[in-house]
Amino acid sequence: EPEVTQTPSHQVTQMGQEVILRCVPISNHLYFYWYRQILGQKVEFLVSFYNNEISEKSEIFDDQFSVERPDGSNFTLKIRSTKLEDSAMYFCASRPGGGNEQYFGPGTRLTVT
Amino acid sequence: AQTVTQSQPEMSVQEAETVTLSCTYDTSESDYYLFWYKQPPSRQMILVIRQEAYKQQNATENRFSVNFQKAAKSFSLKISDSQLGDAAMYFCAYRSLQYNFNKFYFGSGTKLNVKP
Repeated sequence: EPEVTQTPSHQVTQMGQEVILRCVPISNHLYFYWYRQILGQKVEFLVSFYNNEISEKSEIFDDQFSVERPDGSNFTLKIRSTKLEDSAMYFCASRPGGGNEQYFGPGTRLTVT
Repeated sequence: AQTVTQSQPEMSVQEAETVTLSCTYDTSESDYYLFWYKQPPSRQMILVIRQEAYKQQNATENRFSVNFQKAAKSFSLKISDSQLGDAAMYFCAYRSLQYNFNKFYFGSGTKLNVKP
């Protein structure tokens, strides 16, 4: 069964550095999402992406964040200048055009030191 | 804004017994979807069960069933005949069909331990 994949599984970076989290959604899906979960807190919506543009973003998703679907298969989340509070688990999800369920990847644990 | 609350951070159940995980939500909308997702350790979230708000009948998937009380805004998950493989984090999620139609709102999760 097709799955959403994410790389790396764990990323350690220094404060102020740029990071790119990568996701490969399920191939025929049309909607793509990023969520994050700070340790011990709720899973929070960051951004949704459809038809090569952001369809919705949360207040967390400020100018330090960007998303891209560079080649029709990958879906990336870039954090331009990481802060300590960006340390979290980041989940990618995708959804088919006619479906309601989102399919989640295993997550990338980002640790900012 | 919609909020989803899971008031049980952790629960334990004996193998073969039944356990109920609680979820409440707050919304002013009449049409929406509710989901329970399971996240085994170090693995991705997978859908356990889905409930459409317009359906009065509670959803059931094998050993998993929900008790959906729309007026009370409650959506609990019952796991019957618990198995060791049921041990995981369980997340309740809400999806609006009217506004902000894309995103899910999640609860904070309930960690389920299954004792042999």
